[in-house]
Formats: sequence, C-alpha cells, structure tokens
Amino acid sequence: EAQVTQNPRYLITVTGKKLTVTCSQNMNHEYMSWYRQDPGLGLRQIYYSMNVEVTDKGDVPEGYKVSRKEKRNFPLILESPSPNQTSLYFCASEGPYEQYFGPGTRLTVT
Amino acid sequence: TQLLEQSPQFLSIQEGENLTVYCNSSSVFSSLQWYRQEPGEGPVLLVTVVTGGEVKKLKRLTFQFGDARKDSSLHITAAQPGDTGLYLCAGAFEYNFNKFYFGSGTKLNVKP
Repeated sequence: EAQVTQNPRYLITVTGKKLTVTCSQNMNHEYMSWYRQDPGLGLRQIYYSMNVEVTDKGDVPEGYKVSRKEKRNFPLILESPSPNQTSLYFCASEGPYEQYFGPGTRLTVT
Repeated sequence: TQLLEQSPQFLSIQEGENLTVYCNSSSVFSSLQWYRQEPGEGPVLLVTVVTGGEVKKLKRLTFQFGDARKDSSLHITAAQPGDTGLYLCAGAFEYNFNKFYFGSGTKLNVKP
C-alpha cells in the first residue's frame, strides 16, 4: 500500500528548541516536498527534493532546513523554532501528476 | 496573492442538493488536480486533468478543465454528508510538473 508517514503527529515546543519532523515514503518516488497549511492561505511549499542530495527552496523556506540522504526519507528541521512557525505541516511524495500526502504534523511553538 | 483562486470559500448545503466549486487563475497550467481533505488528515487526490476542455467523472463528481487550461470546476450531484470536507485545487506548470501551486480551498458542509 502506497504510504507516506510522518512523525510526530502533534508537537508542542518552545521558542528556540531545535526539532525535526520525519517523513518516509514507500513508493520509491524521487520527488518529495514539505508544505505548511495555514487558515486562508492554503498549502504552501516549504522545500522540495528532486532526488537524493538534491533539495531546493519552495515558496516559504525561511526558518527551515531539509536533508535527503536516502530516497525514502525527507526530514524537516527547525533549528530555532518561532511562534510564527506554528502550523500544520504535510510531507508529500510525488509521481507524475499525482501526490501522496502524509497525515500531517500539528506543531505549536510557544 | 495566490495563483489559484477558489470559490466559494465556504458552502453549506442540504443533502441531495447539487453544487459547483470553481478554481480560477490567469496562468496556464499543464495539469490541474483536485484533492479532498478531511479534518486531521492529509489531502487525498481525487483527479488529475491535463487536456484543455477535458471532463472527468468520478461517481457523483464531475471535473472539468477549462479550454484555455486556466480554470477548472468540480460539480457534485446529489451531495451526501460523506462529501463534507475541504476541497483543494492544485496546478502545475509544464516546465516543472512536480511543483504544485494550491488554492486556499472550499470548505463544504453537507447537512443530513
């Protein structure tokens, strides 16, 4: 079964405390993305990766880092989280003309 | 400013009614997708349209891609409470068909 998994699903943290959200896919897709979803703004792409060791900025990359050391994994790193990064985050794995989304990570930064 | 504008933003209807949701842009897309998202879950792909004028049907859902590939519509016939959710459209350009631009969504509530 095609699957994208994310962990954790919920996270409450404090300003400045580094955190990582993991993402893994089992479809052997080369292309993966991270999005954040905020009310009234829809889904906005943070970073994407076209293959192992190939990453690039999306539309809202400030304050985030990513890495792609293996094809299946694409972690999102917040080195110093701030309250404006409170949001719902989705990892996506992409084939031509289709995307599979993970279940989401709800992050609250206080 | 978003590349894709969806309307209406909110829609509350009775079970059995028909409805249409619109996704409009001034840009030409090589493909356009529709997703449905339920609370607490990730979006799930419903359909991809790639040809101008294309019409696709998925049971009670009918999707249309505009002739100029700048807009799309989703029509639901005889809506059911199970259709409740957030409907998102997303477009991709020919030069980077893996990068998707999302509309802000239409929140549909179907009352029994």
